[in-house]
Amino acid sequence: DGGITQSPKYLFRKEGQNVTLSCEQNLNHDAMYWYRQDPGQGLRLIYYSQIVNDFQKGDIAEGYSVSREKKESFPLTVTSAQKNPTAFYLCASSTQATNYGYTFGSGTRLTVV
Amino acid sequence: AQKVTQAQTEISVVEKEDVTLDCVYETRDTTYYLFWYKQPPSGELVFLIRRNSFDEQNEISGRYSWNFQKSTSSFNFTITASQVVDSAVYFCALSEAGGAQKLVFGQGTRLTINP
Repeated sequence: DGGITQSPKYLFRKEGQNVTLSCEQNLNHDAMYWYRQDPGQGLRLIYYSQIVNDFQKGDIAEGYSVSREKKESFPLTVTSAQKNPTAFYLCASSTQATNYGYTFGSGTRLTVV
Repeated sequence: AQKVTQAQTEISVVEKEDVTLDCVYETRDTTYYLFWYKQPPSGELVFLIRRNSFDEQNEISGRYSWNFQKSTSSFNFTITASQVVDSAVYFCALSEAGGAQKLVFGQGTRLTINP
C-alpha cells in the first residue's frame, strides 16, 4: 500500500545534539512538507520541497535543515540551534496535479532530555 | 496573509448528540481550498474533506456534513448523532490554489464524545 513512513516514532535528544527524522513516501508525490505540532496548537510549516534538490523555508525554519536528494525521501535534521525542539513532527506529501491536500505520516515525537 | 481560526478549543458532548465545529478563515486569494482533517490519539492526520472556493454547495457524507459560506468566510463541520469513535482533534485548513500548496492550519478543536 502507498503511504508515508516516518521513523522513529519516538526520539530522545540530549541538549546540544543534532538528530535526523526520516520521512519516506512511495506515492510518487512531487511535493513534501514538514510540520511541527506543539500541544494544543495547530501545525506550523518548517520546510517544504516541490521538486528534487530544491526546498524552501516555511514559517519556523530556524534551527532546522532538510535535504531532498531523492523524490521519495525528505529527512529533517533538528540542530542544536533549535532552542525548543520538543514537539510532534509530521511529514506530508502531495501531488502537484491538483489541490487534494496532503497525505500525512504517523509522526515522530521528539523529546529533549 | 492567510489565517484560519477555530475558536472552540475543546468541546465535550454526550454520545448521540449533534455537534458543530466552527472554522473561520481569512485570505486575499479568490481561488483557494479548504480542508478538514481528523487527528485521532495515534497522531496521524486523516483527510476528511476538500472544498474549493467556487463550490459553495453543502456536502453530506454519512453522519458528517459541511457548511461552506463564502459571505462569512466560514467552513463549519457538523457531526450528527456523535459516537465515541468521533473523539479526536479536528483541524480546519486553508491552501492557496496551485503553487506550493502550503496548508495553513487552525489551532484545532479537541472533541470528546462521552458514552
